[in-house]
Amino acid sequence: AQSVSQHNHHVILSEAASLELGCNYSYGGTVNLFWYVQYPGQHLQLLLKYFSGDPLVKGIKGFEAEFIKSKFSFNLRKPSVQWSDTAEYFCAVRGFTGGGNKLTFGTGTQLKVEL
Amino acid sequence: GAGVSQSPSNKVTEKGKDVELRCDPISGHTALYWYRQSLGQGLEFLIYFQGNSAPDKSGLPSDRFSAERTGGSVSTLTIQRTQQEDSAVYLCASSPDRFSYEQYFGPGTRLTVT
Repeated sequence: AQSVSQHNHHVILSEAASLELGCNYSYGGTVNLFWYVQYPGQHLQLLLKYFSGDPLVKGIKGFEAEFIKSKFSFNLRKPSVQWSDTAEYFCAVRGFTGGGNKLTFGTGTQLKVEL
Repeated sequence: GAGVSQSPSNKVTEKGKDVELRCDPISGHTALYWYRQSLGQGLEFLIYFQGNSAPDKSGLPSDRFSAERTGGSVSTLTIQRTQQEDSAVYLCASSPDRFSYEQYFGPGTRLTVT
């Protein structure tokens, strides 16, 4: 069975600080990896995704993530956060087993950016 | 265009009562998913529908939970004899087909069992 671990549950940063949110997954086969974001009062929306190819993927709003297969990691980064990045961030994995269309999510990281 | 919609947005019910939660996916999307988000938990997969195929029910936590999808569009998640531990936000998502990587989420239904 696949699983996802997000080690940081709550992160508080000042504006312009750099961000890195950890995500590790457990699955032995081919995976698709995702970061979703939920801004206060809004729906979950896709931030970025990895399928194959270049392990460094770029998403919306200046976010990027790096897939490191040997470490089973897909950490999210942003060089300089803004107050508007305050949100909850979820890492998710989709493994390619029979019926593997479901996403397995981590428990989420609540990010608060202070002015 | 219109996104995934869910109703009701909030539902408060007494322990032991049945509830029905509705999801309207994006028009034309053949894949539909239900997830549950409990306090302090991630999103937990419940059930997946793809076209006319048999649904993947592997995430349903007990036989009190069931879901159907009529006409390949609207879906209803039913929880019978609700328990307090059923309190959560129930999220619906849809995607164009089983091969699409992105799932589009609705706003969720917040269920509170008293």
